[in-house]
Amino acid sequence: DTAVSQTPKYLVTQMGNDKSIKCEQNLGHDTMYWYKQDSKKFLKIMFSYNNKELIINETVPNRFSPKSPDKAHLNLHINSLELGDSAVYFCASSRLAGFGDTQYFGPGTRLTVL
Amino acid sequence: SQQGEEDPQALSIQEGENATMNCSYKTSINNLQWYRQNSGRGLVHLILIRSNEREKHSGRLRVTLDTSKKSSSLLITASRAADTASYFCATASPGANSKLTFGKGITLSVRP
Repeated sequence: DTAVSQTPKYLVTQMGNDKSIKCEQNLGHDTMYWYKQDSKKFLKIMFSYNNKELIINETVPNRFSPKSPDKAHLNLHINSLELGDSAVYFCASSRLAGFGDTQYFGPGTRLTVL
Repeated sequence: SQQGEEDPQALSIQEGENATMNCSYKTSINNLQWYRQNSGRGLVHLILIRSNEREKHSGRLRVTLDTSKKSSSLLITASRAADTASYFCATASPGANSKLTFGKGITLSVRP
């Protein structure tokens, strides 16, 4: 069984569109994250939720809105997509919110904005 | 700003050789972790070393941490072609809402 899953795996869309990426974890973890990995493989945290509450919100354009309906799911909605949003987006989860707990990553969603 | 900086950026070795990768960071940490990423896949956690530890082993992996120099090294012994991947160090900031800050990664190629 996949521990952290994301859908879709690939997303190709036009500039200006709105799209969503979904993430689910079956590890029973309390904390979930969204990361963005650029073309140079630099991985940067975007958001973190603990038990459905936002605890980390990095400097991300407000076109990006995370939503956590329950602690097993964390979705990412992106409005008015721009070329610079093209990247691989990773969802991750950890047992605990803080103290640098080990994180478990999903397979990634490659977003291409044309 | 970026915390971990790995060195070298790319490493190519022969199967059976050892691979050593280094990571330096700037601020105080709770722990330091190494992750592996195979091409087109997500990151996989390899090993975690706490700020009060100096060395840790896991199978063919050995990680060291020198908090006075703010540096860590990851040694993979007896490398295999399957070790070909990108390796990232990640530092965990102290505190309750700690976050991981990743370096840019090291591309390791192990030639059969």
